[in-house]
Formats: sequence, structure tokens, C-alpha cells
Amino acid sequence: AQTVTQSQPEMSVQEAETVTLSCTYDTSESDYYLFWYKQPPSRQMILVIRQEAYKQQNATENRFSVNFQKAAKSFSLKISDSQLGDAAMYFCAYVGSTDSWGKFQFGAGTQVVVTP
Amino acid sequence: DTEVTQTPKHLVMGMTNKKSLKCEQHMGHRAMYWYKQKAKKPPELMFVYSYEKLSINESVPSRFSPECPNSSLSNLHLHALQPEDSALYLCASSQVTVAQGLYFGPGTRLTVL
Repeated sequence: AQTVTQSQPEMSVQEAETVTLSCTYDTSESDYYLFWYKQPPSRQMILVIRQEAYKQQNATENRFSVNFQKAAKSFSLKISDSQLGDAAMYFCAYVGSTDSWGKFQFGAGTQVVVTP
Repeated sequence: DTEVTQTPKHLVMGMTNKKSLKCEQHMGHRAMYWYKQKAKKPPELMFVYSYEKLSINESVPSRFSPECPNSSLSNLHLHALQPEDSALYLCASSQVTVAQGLYFGPGTRLTVL
């Protein structure tokens, strides 16, 4: 069974600074997808960024980028130039490419606190 | 604008009531999901509909009953709930290939008295 681990319950960052959230996963599959989701206090879960395991290049979306290390099974999220609106719970998620039922595995989450 | 809508936003019900949660997706997706989420915890999968076929998380009690009349609409029927069922209930949809991830609705905040 696949597991996703987020070892940081909470991370604090000052506005305009950079914060990195860690995520590791365990799988025996060679092809899969990884995601970071953001859940602000309003509670709507939003997809931030996605990574395909067979792609070497790290995904980026504006101020969000990932460091994908397939051999180490690591998938960290970097938030650059942090803004107050980045304050949220962030969940890392995994799904196998052959999973016909789409049973995504979520990590426990990391609460990001942004201070002025 | 959210393309996955859920109603109601809030629901308070007694343990003897019967109610339903509604979810609609306007993205042309063929899979719909129901998740239960407690505060500061990750979402827990309850049900998946893919091409109108149902997959159930075996740990979900029978007082929760999903329905999917078509690929863009799903209802979650509730009856004889317990106070521990109070949570945020999230609906999500995806393409049949999971590569693009899940798209979540805003959720229904359920309180069982």
C-alpha cells in the first residue's frame, strides 16, 4: 500500500520569504502522479501543482515549485515570495497511474502560517 | 468560480433525521468522489463513482448512502447519523485518467446533534 508522509505539522514564514514543505511517499509503482493541494481557512481544497513521475523536470506554477526526487521518493513544495494569502493547510497527495478508481492517498498536512 | 458545486453549505440535523447532500460538476468529468474531513485532518475517501460504477470504502457505515444518477450529479443520503459523523463533507470530480488530479467542491459542513 502506498503511504504519504508530511513530517512538518506547521511551518511559519514571513511575508516575502521562502518556505519549503516536505513530502515523502512509499510506493512500488514506477508511474504515478503527485500533487500539492492548498486548503485555506474558507475550506475549499485547491490544486496548487502537479508532477508526473516519468517527467524529470520539476513542475512550477508562478511562485510555487516542486523538488521531485524520484529515487528518494521525495516531493517538496517551495513557496517563494510568500504572501498572506498563502496561509493555509497544504496536503501532499499521490495516485498511481494505473489506479482506475482514482484512490488518492493524502499526507497528514502542513499548516503554513504567514507573518507580516 | 468553482466548477464543482455542493449544497447545502451548512446542515444541522438530528440523529433521527434523513437528509441529502448534493454535488454537481460542470467539467465533463466521468468520476465523482465523496470525502469526509475532520478539522485539520486530511480528507478520507468514502465513495468513488467512475462511469456510474461505485467503489465503496469498506469502513464507511451504511447510514451513508451514495447515489449517482448521471456522471455530473451525485447525492449523498444520510440517515440515523451519529454525533461523530459531524464533519466537512467534500465532493470532488476527476477525469477518468487521474493525471489532472481532483477538483473539489466547497464542501458541506454537517453538524449532527
